[in-house]
Amino acid sequence: DAKTTQPNSMESNEEEPVHLPCNHSTISGTDYIHWYRQLPSQGPEYVIHGLTSNVNNRMASLAIAEDRKSSTLILHRATLRDAAVYYCILRGSGGSNYKLTFGKGTLLTVNP
Amino acid sequence: NAGVTQTPKFRILKIGQSMTLQCTQDMNHNYMYWYRQDPGMGLKLIYYSVGAGITDKGEVPNGYNVSRSTTEDFPLRLELAAPSQTSVYFCASSYSTGTSSYEQYFGPGTRLTVT
Repeated sequence: DAKTTQPNSMESNEEEPVHLPCNHSTISGTDYIHWYRQLPSQGPEYVIHGLTSNVNNRMASLAIAEDRKSSTLILHRATLRDAAVYYCILRGSGGSNYKLTFGKGTLLTVNP
Repeated sequence: NAGVTQTPKFRILKIGQSMTLQCTQDMNHNYMYWYRQDPGMGLKLIYYSVGAGITDKGEVPNGYNVSRSTTEDFPLRLELAAPSQTSVYFCASSYSTGTSSYEQYFGPGTRLTVT
């Protein structure tokens, strides 16, 4: 499985934007970039995913570099509820690529 | 929809005891998974199932067994508990077709301590 590299931790202030980086220099052409997050004492939850183009949903935006070797998860206005561990995961396309491989992720702290 | 439910929430086992962690999903997902998460680490896949009657090993299957007799249920069995199995266990489910896989939905977890 292609690996991802994320900072161990990041800090943000409430109501400010947060940019969470992820490096994946060995990504293959068919790998999707997925983001999950894990709030304290809860199971992970899906945030967003993309292949080549930037993606937006109600939770976040995903900006993907043109060479696809890195991506950035953007939380437009951080709230205290966004404090969590954020995981960047590569997953192949197709019905047979259903497994997720979790690294340690980035622990996001949001200051009031 | 309740999503993915897990029982119990907490459990303390003595070394050598056995127990079953229950997992149920009501989303009619065909795929189900069991993960464990040790402190400060990411999740590791224990076992998974691609449909009723079909299971396969993940990354860390030793010491565990699973079965999948229905679409909804995917219990995880610990036969002889060891301190190394102290962890938080998460069940998840997802829908996959022949051409696409969709996001996984996770349960709230079971915190297990073996002493």
